[in-house]
Amino acid sequence: AQSVTQLDSQVPVFEEAPVELRCNYSSSVSVYLFWYVQYPNQGLQLLLKYLSGSTLVESINGFEAEFNKSQTSFHLRKPSVHISDTAEYFCAVNTGFQKLVFGTGTRLLVSP
Amino acid sequence: DVKVTQSSRYLVKRTGEKVFLECVQDMDHENMFWYRQDPGLGLRLIYFSYDVKMKEKGDIPEGYSVSREKKERFSLILESASTNQTSMYLCASSPRGAGSSYNEQFFGPGTRLTVL
Repeated sequence: AQSVTQLDSQVPVFEEAPVELRCNYSSSVSVYLFWYVQYPNQGLQLLLKYLSGSTLVESINGFEAEFNKSQTSFHLRKPSVHISDTAEYFCAVNTGFQKLVFGTGTRLLVSP
Repeated sequence: DVKVTQSSRYLVKRTGEKVFLECVQDMDHENMFWYRQDPGLGLRLIYFSYDVKMKEKGDIPEGYSVSREKKERFSLILESASTNQTSMYLCASSPRGAGSSYNEQFFGPGTRLTVL
């Protein structure tokens, strides 16, 4: 069965510093990978997704993630964070049958 | 834009009450999902529906049931609410069809349920 591991439950960082949120998955089949973001008191929004092709995928607000098949990872990065990036971030993998399995989430705390 | 709405943002109920959580989507999606979100546990799938009147158990269906009488509406029912069902409940929808394994799920704002 597929599973997703987000080892960091919380990542504190100063504004304008770089950040990496880690995600590892386990799957014996081809995978589709997703990062979702949840701002305070809101539902989840898709940030970016890997389906096929280029292993580096980007979002419109400066985040990027790289699919690494050999390390079974899909880490999320941003070179310079803003206060407004404070949120919880969830990594997810498809299980087939149109369902997703989510990681436990990483809370990104950006301080001035 | 896809819109998924949930009937309540906050709900307080008493132990033993029957609770209905409603979810409506306006994009004609075939698939609808109910998750619960708890700190440190992420999102866990309760039930899933891939068509009207069709349902499939997720990872934690115990204590819950669902109803899908119309394509746009998916209801989660707690037959007899218990304190351990205090949680954030999130509804989502997604289209089916070619490439459905990687279709994005669209989420509602969530209902924070407290059972006293």
